[in-house]
Amino acid sequence: DIQMTQSPSSLSASVGDRVTITCRASQTISNYLNWYQHKPGKAPNLLIFAASTLQSGVPSRFSGSGSGTDFTLTISSLHPEDFATYYCQQSYIFPLTFGGGTTVVIK
Amino acid sequence: EVQLLESGGGLVQPGGSLRLSCAASGFTFYSNGMGWVRQAPGKGLEWVSSIIPSGGHADYADSVKGRFTVSRDNSKNTLYLQMNSLRAEDTAVYYCAKREALYDSSAYYYFFDFWGQGSLVTVSS
Repeated sequence: DIQMTQSPSSLSASVGDRVTITCRASQTISNYLNWYQHKPGKAPNLLIFAASTLQSGVPSRFSGSGSGTDFTLTISSLHPEDFATYYCQQSYIFPLTFGGGTTVVIK
Repeated sequence: EVQLLESGGGLVQPGGSLRLSCAASGFTFYSNGMGWVRQAPGKGLEWVSSIIPSGGHADYADSVKGRFTVSRDNSKNTLYLQMNSLRAEDTAVYYCAKREALYDSSAYYYFFDFWGQGSLVTVSS
């Protein structure tokens, strides 16, 4: 199985900060990488697919990059509604696997 | 508007069975693959199962293989997850999700673009 490792597991940041989350795959997955945002009690929300394609309706402050084994999710300027947990997920091969999550909390 | 509404969760004893349903609306159900993803208390997201549009093939996580069965009724726009031989570690919120596919540069990219609100399954004596 492909292991997805996210770092950090949590971070504290202020509104307006630039935030970067990394995700590393245990083997190459080309650009078969998706990012989701999840808030407690809510349905997860797709942010980015194919490593760098922004899902329709997602604000442009979110961006993704990377290929192979190393990927990043960047929030250019943190908004209050962005405090949540973020997950990467590989869609290269079954079983599909998620990273452990990165929780963004208010500093 | 895409809507996915899970039902069928609840409290069940270890070794018991439960069937989750996911009623879909707002899109052409028979054209999309679907999936189940769960989140145990205090844990992250874990993929459980996926099924192709026709229902003719499904994949499972090793943790549920042989115990869970995913199916769909395209005439009813409904996805199911039959869960047997339940264990305490199956306790989680179960989300159904719509799978979308994008064809680009001779490759298909798959992702879950809409999710339900989740159904809580508690396995406990």
